Parts: sequence; C-alpha cells; structure tokens
Amino acid sequence: KAGVTQTPRYLIKTRGQQVTLSCSPISGHRSVSWYQQTPGQGLQFLFEYFSETQRNKGNFPGRFSGRQFSNSRSEMNVSTLELGDSALYLCASSPLSSGGFETQYFGPGTRLLVL
Amino acid sequence: QKEVEQDPGPLSVPEGAIVSLNCTYSNSAFQYFMWYRQYSRKGPELLMYTYSSGNKEDGRFTAQVDKSSKYISLFIRDSQPSDSATYLCAMTRGFNTGNQFYFGTGTSLTVIP
Repeated sequence: KAGVTQTPRYLIKTRGQQVTLSCSPISGHRSVSWYQQTPGQGLQFLFEYFSETQRNKGNFPGRFSGRQFSNSRSEMNVSTLELGDSALYLCASSPLSSGGFETQYFGPGTRLLVL
Repeated sequence: QKEVEQDPGPLSVPEGAIVSLNCTYSNSAFQYFMWYRQYSRKGPELLMYTYSSGNKEDGRFTAQVDKSSKYISLFIRDSQPSDSATYLCAMTRGFNTGNQFYFGTGTSLTVIP
C-alpha cells in the first residue's frame, strides 16, 4: 500500500497570506489527524477527522481549519499567516477499525516558511 | 504545564552504548504509551507501544511504563549509527474518543561509530 502523501512538500508564503495543505491517507484509513511540529514545542495536535467529521481539536486559533472529503483525503487551511506559523505540518492516518491499539502513520510533512 | 515533558537533548553516545530516553506526563488517564522515531526530513514512525504499566521488549529496544510515577522510558541496547534520529514519546487515552495523541518534544540522538 502507498503511504500517507502530503502536498506540497515545501511552501514559502508571506505574512497575511493564506495557505492550503493537502493529505492523502493510506487507502482504507478513515481517520486523519494534523499536527504542527516546531523545534521548541514539538508535535502539537491540530485536529482529527473521521468520516468527514471533526472529532477533536487542539488548542490553536480559528485561523487553522480543516476538512475531510468522502474519500478520506483531508485539507488544512491557515488564513492570515503569521511568522510563528512557520513549521512542519504533519498529517497522520489510521484505520480505526479494530477498537484496540492502532498506530498513526505519518506522512513526510509540508514544511511551511512564512516570511 | 505541558501534558508530556521530554528532555530534548541532544544526546551523543558511542556505538554499542546503552541509551536511555525518558518522558514524564501529567494526565493519569493516558493508557497507551508509544515511542516514535523520526529521521531527518521524514515523518515519525512507530517503534513500539505499551498498554498501561509494565515492560515490553522488541529486539534491542525495551519500553517501560511506570504509571504510579507517570514516567516512561525507552532503552536501546548495543546502539548503532543507524539509530541516530529523534525519538518522540507519545501517549493517548484511547482510540474511540477523537484519537488525540500527545507528544513529547523529542530527544535527538547521535550514535558515533
């Protein structure tokens, strides 16, 4: 099976712009989570989608939003970019089919630089 | 206070050394404890996980969880240069409540040949 793919891999934007990142989960995986990774804060949870519904949201401002499509692909959007939004944005998928332990499979991330 | 605390290092050891990586946490509701490895320019990948307290061994890797102390460890025996990576601990309450994982900031490890 192909792994989690994220596009684009690298992005440079300026303050005030908006950006949309895309994630294609592993085939058959229904849960998609998004994380922001920075050197000082590590991985911070943004939100999780399951069957097109946002089930959980981390402690990020409303400028960060996301959605999931019927084919489980997901997008996240950041509006009015700030310098502090520069980070690696990681998408992770999991099947959520067994009820027991299921790991999250991470994509390679999108590295966003805000100037 | 962050939910999960992890010493960022960096940690540099000679090949063959035993490596100890640790995390502490504050939420007693966490039930699953995981260790991920992240190579440069890659996403994290799961190394191993433990449910509740106890030890788990997988080859050269041993994970320990002490829920009474809210402390988890990962031991790497006979460390190899290929083990050089960032190691992240993660934990979650479960998988039916929104699947939210809480991660440490990661410890950067370099194994010197």
